[in-house]
Amino acid sequence: AQTVTQSQPEMSVQEAETVTLSCTYDTSESNYYLFWYKQPPSRQMILVIRQEAYKQQNATENRFSVNFQKAAKSFSLKISDSQLGDTAMYFCALRGGSEKLVFGKGTKLTVNP
Amino acid sequence: GAVVSQHPSRVICKSGTSVKIECRSLDFQATTMFWYRQFPKQSLMLMATSNEGSKATYEQGVEKDKFLINHASLTLSTLTVTSAHPEDSSFYICSARDTLGIQYFGAGTRLSVL
Repeated sequence: AQTVTQSQPEMSVQEAETVTLSCTYDTSESNYYLFWYKQPPSRQMILVIRQEAYKQQNATENRFSVNFQKAAKSFSLKISDSQLGDTAMYFCALRGGSEKLVFGKGTKLTVNP
Repeated sequence: GAVVSQHPSRVICKSGTSVKIECRSLDFQATTMFWYRQFPKQSLMLMATSNEGSKATYEQGVEKDKFLINHASLTLSTLTVTSAHPEDSSFYICSARDTLGIQYFGAGTRLSVL
């Protein structure tokens, strides 16, 4: 079975600072994909960033980057220059061959002015 | 990114009635769509996988006769909650998978059954 664990239920950061959200996962598959989704108060799920497991290079999307440690099965999200609009629930997700997404329980991030 | 439209955003109905929720991929074709349920302050729970032109695949514990799914075209999937009861009140979210396997989500439907 595939599992995704987010060990930080809540986090807060000051505007313009950097924050890292943790995610660990478990899968027996060799080919899989990892995602971070953001769910703001509007509840619209928004794709933040994705990583193919076969790629060693960490994915980056503007202020968002990941630290993908395949051997440790770790996939953390770093948000640089945090903005008030980054306040949201962040979900880490894993997709294997079944095409289903397995989500973690989420981390509630609050960006304080 | 791709756009997925979900309608209605909010519905209030009486117990015993049926409610239909639509999920459309607006700028891409989706052979596979997914339906999730999200309880307050919790993660998304996959209810079923909807495949165009075939029967949906339901997750364990999800009543297929209660939650009817139809995926009649490459851009539209519908979820019908039949004979809704207060315990069906929840937030329902759909997603559509593009050719790269990325799921894009609708804005969700808040169902309240009185």
